[in-house]
Amino acid sequence: GQQVMQIPQYQHVQEGEDFTTYCNSSTTLSNIQWYKQRPGGHPVFLIQLVKSGEVKKQKRLTFQFGEAKKNSSLHITATQTTDVGTYFCGGSNYKLTFGKGTLLTVNP
Amino acid sequence: NAGVTQTPKFQVLKTGQSMTLQCAQDMNHEYMSWYRQDPGMGLRLIHYSVGAGITDQGEVPNGYNVSRSTTEDFPLRLLSAAPSQTSVYFCASSRPAGTGGYTFGSGTRLTVV
Repeated sequence: GQQVMQIPQYQHVQEGEDFTTYCNSSTTLSNIQWYKQRPGGHPVFLIQLVKSGEVKKQKRLTFQFGEAKKNSSLHITATQTTDVGTYFCGGSNYKLTFGKGTLLTVNP
Repeated sequence: NAGVTQTPKFQVLKTGQSMTLQCAQDMNHEYMSWYRQDPGMGLRLIHYSVGAGITDQGEVPNGYNVSRSTTEDFPLRLLSAAPSQTSVYFCASSRPAGTGGYTFGSGTRLTVV
């Protein structure tokens, strides 16, 4: 079945440093979604990518979908303490399958 | 709009007991899913539904039942609780795949002793 792998599992940065998490699927995806979960909270939808090679930006966050629609990345520029949380990618064909997430901690 | 409402927020069960986790959404979303979240395991899909009267199994369906008699409600039933079912359970809903993201409920923290 479809598997979604996400790396790294953990990332600790100093405030102001950049951060990137990567997502790889074993199968071609119709779309990929990114979510953020704050500690003790629930996942919150950030963005969906649908087109091959698509790049979308949300302020300091940049999302990319690979040309083969099997991988994706989330890049945060100049991290802030408010960026702390776990970032999940979810690959969707007809049901959403998540990677294990990347826990980001930021040292002020 | 309330979004996705899950009840209860916390529950302690004894091994062998049964219970139902409730999930309701008021966004007229066709898709609904149940996930469990365990440390280091991410979000694993238990069951999902693409519309009223239609359900299917996810990655970890054993020990759980679901039904979807209405668009709004998608209850998750634990048939005979086991300690391995101790977890945080999230219900989520969305429009059909590819048309937008999932809205998650706030979760139910279940402990089986």
